[in-house]
Amino acid sequence: GAGVSQSPRYKVAKRGQDVALRCDPISGHVSLFWYQQALGQGPEFLTYFQNEAQLDKSGLPSDRFFAERPEGSVSTLKIQRTQQEDSAVYLCASSEPLTPTNTGELFFGEGSRLTVL
Amino acid sequence: QKEVEQDPGPLSVPEGAIVSLNCTYSNSAFQYFMWYRQYSRKGPELLMYTYSSGNKEDGRFTAQVDKSSKYISLFIRDSQPSDSATYLCAMSPAGGGNKLTFGTGTQLKVEL
Repeated sequence: GAGVSQSPRYKVAKRGQDVALRCDPISGHVSLFWYQQALGQGPEFLTYFQNEAQLDKSGLPSDRFFAERPEGSVSTLKIQRTQQEDSAVYLCASSEPLTPTNTGELFFGEGSRLTVL
Repeated sequence: QKEVEQDPGPLSVPEGAIVSLNCTYSNSAFQYFMWYRQYSRKGPELLMYTYSSGNKEDGRFTAQVDKSSKYISLFIRDSQPSDSATYLCAMSPAGGGNKLTFGTGTQLKVEL
C-alpha cells in the first residue's frame, strides 16, 4: 500500500482482556515505531524496531505491553490484561534510517483507538 | 516537568491571520526539530523539519529554532480554514535516530 496501515481502527475491550494491534509499514521502510497518544496529549514513544530487531523498548509502560516484528515487516503490539489507563490511540510509524542526506521522516498510520471499559 | 512544553490552546483566528505557535524544551541534546500537523482522527504528518538553529521557510510556513533560548516557533501566514488542525512540535537528539519527543500539541481553528 501507499501508506502505513493499522488495524483495527477502533477496538473496545473489557478490562482484563488481551488485545492485539497490527501495523503494516510502508514497503521497504526498515524502521518502525509505536507511539501512544492519550486524549489531548502528544504521541509518546513506546518502542522501536530496525528490521526485526527491537532496539528500544524503553517507553513500554509495563510488562503487559509487548511488541514484535518477526519478519521485519508487519508489527503487532499486544496488550495483556488491559486496564482503563491503556485507553488511547496507538500510532505506528515507519521511516527510512536517519542519515546526513535524509530527514528520516516518520510516516504515521491513522492509529488504532483503544477504549477499555 | 516535561522535556517539551507546548501551549495546548485552543487557538482561534480569523482567516488570513498570521499564526504563531511555540514550544520550549529543556534537553540541550535536541538537534532535530520538527512540526507535525494532525487532523482529527488522523495520524500526524510532517510539516517542517529543521536541523539545529535557524529559520526555514516553505510557502506560507516558517519554522524558527533558537537553541540558545531552547525555543522553537512555527509561523503560518495567510491562514486558511484548511489549516485548522492540531500542531505538534517534535524533536530528537543527534544520534537518537528518529525517536521523537513530542509536545502536547496546539489545537488551531481558522474561522471564515
